[in-house]
Amino acid sequence: AQSVTQLGSHVSVSEGALVLLRCNYSSSVPPYLFWYVQYPNQGLQLLLKYTSAATLVKGINGFEAEFKKSETSFHLTKPSAHMSDAAEYFCAVSRNFGNEKLTFGTGTRLTIIP
Amino acid sequence: NAGVTQTPKFRILKIGQSMTLQCTQDMNHNYMYWYRQDPGMGLKLIYYSVGAGITDKGEVPNGYNVSRSTTEDFPLRLELAAPSQTSVYFCASRPRAFEDQPQHFGDGTRLSIL
Repeated sequence: AQSVTQLGSHVSVSEGALVLLRCNYSSSVPPYLFWYVQYPNQGLQLLLKYTSAATLVKGINGFEAEFKKSETSFHLTKPSAHMSDAAEYFCAVSRNFGNEKLTFGTGTRLTIIP
Repeated sequence: NAGVTQTPKFRILKIGQSMTLQCTQDMNHNYMYWYRQDPGMGLKLIYYSVGAGITDKGEVPNGYNVSRSTTEDFPLRLELAAPSQTSVYFCASRPRAFEDQPQHFGDGTRLSIL
């Protein structure tokens, strides 16, 4: 069985500061990992995905994530936060390439301080 | 191209009432999913379908039913609404397995059971 743990249900950063959202996974097989973003009153949108092609994955809106097998982590980062980044972020794991079923973390709400 | 459309967007039900949450997609996707999202709990999979006529239980199926008579539609049925079913419900779809495409989400249905 696979699972993900997101450390910190709420994260606040100042505009222009580094954004770091943490995700650790547990999987019995090589995982496929995803970050989704949810803006208020909307569904989830894919930010980026790791499918074993490269350990550093670049996504939309300047976000990137690095897969570290030794640390079982897939943390999401952005060098400089923007007000529009305020949203809830979900890490998810799938055990197969086709992401037939995703297991989501509990989410991290990102607040940007002006 | 509308993507995944969910109706209604909001609904208040009384305990014991029944209703159907509608979900339709116009992307000819084989896989469709229903999730519920509760505060601090992430998304939990209720039911999913890999194609017309085929459905399977997810993590939290009790109290719900689904059907998949066409590729486009995947309605979720609540037969006897209970307060524990107060939640935000999301429908998602994706192409067939082994295609490197993410799940596409609708904007959700916010359901309150009083």
